[in-house]
Amino acid sequence: QKEVEQNSGPLSVPEGAIASLNCTYSDRGSQSFFWYRQYSGKSPELIMSIYSNGDKEDGRFTAQLNKASQYVSLLIRDSQPSDSATYLCAAGRPGGGADGLTFGKGTHLIIQP
Amino acid sequence: KAGVTQTPRYLIKTRGQQVTLSCSPISGHRSVSWYQQTPGQGLQFLFEYFSETQRNKGNFPGRFSGRQFSNSRSEMNVSTLELGDSALYLCASGLSGPYEQYFGPGTRLTVT
Repeated sequence: QKEVEQNSGPLSVPEGAIASLNCTYSDRGSQSFFWYRQYSGKSPELIMSIYSNGDKEDGRFTAQLNKASQYVSLLIRDSQPSDSATYLCAAGRPGGGADGLTFGKGTHLIIQP
Repeated sequence: KAGVTQTPRYLIKTRGQQVTLSCSPISGHRSVSWYQQTPGQGLQFLFEYFSETQRNKGNFPGRFSGRQFSNSRSEMNVSTLELGDSALYLCASGLSGPYEQYFGPGTRLTVT
């Protein structure tokens, strides 16, 4: 059973600080990793994808991948109240695999003004 | 570019009925995946279609089925509805299965 684990939170971070979200995955065959942001009552929105070990930066967001440790993280710099949402981590195999993308249950992030 | 569209957005059905949900992917995307999201189970993969063929299937009963048309639009059907089928059904499209997928707004299904 492929699993993606996330701390459900809530994770409370003061405005302007760095929010750090973490995720571990069980399937060593996973090659693609994604972070989605989901506001309450809305659908998930893709914010970052990462395929290689190391860091990938996009604006205030940095995704980090360590395949040896089966660990993915997302850093949000200069956190804003609008970043308050649930963040979903997802992992996938080349060719899709039998389970498509496997999602974690998400971390609820609260940015305190 | 227009995003993924899903219809209807809200649906109320009675136990035992069947329902068909529709998804139009982003132009040029040939992969369409369907997910069920519930508060308790989170996002669970139902199936993926690519070029009219079901390429992957999650662990759901046969009551859940789907298809994809030549224009990449996809439909999902749930027969003999159960109370536990109440959920947000999300469609996502992408160029290919494991890569970036973009979600539609979802269809909120309530079974009474």
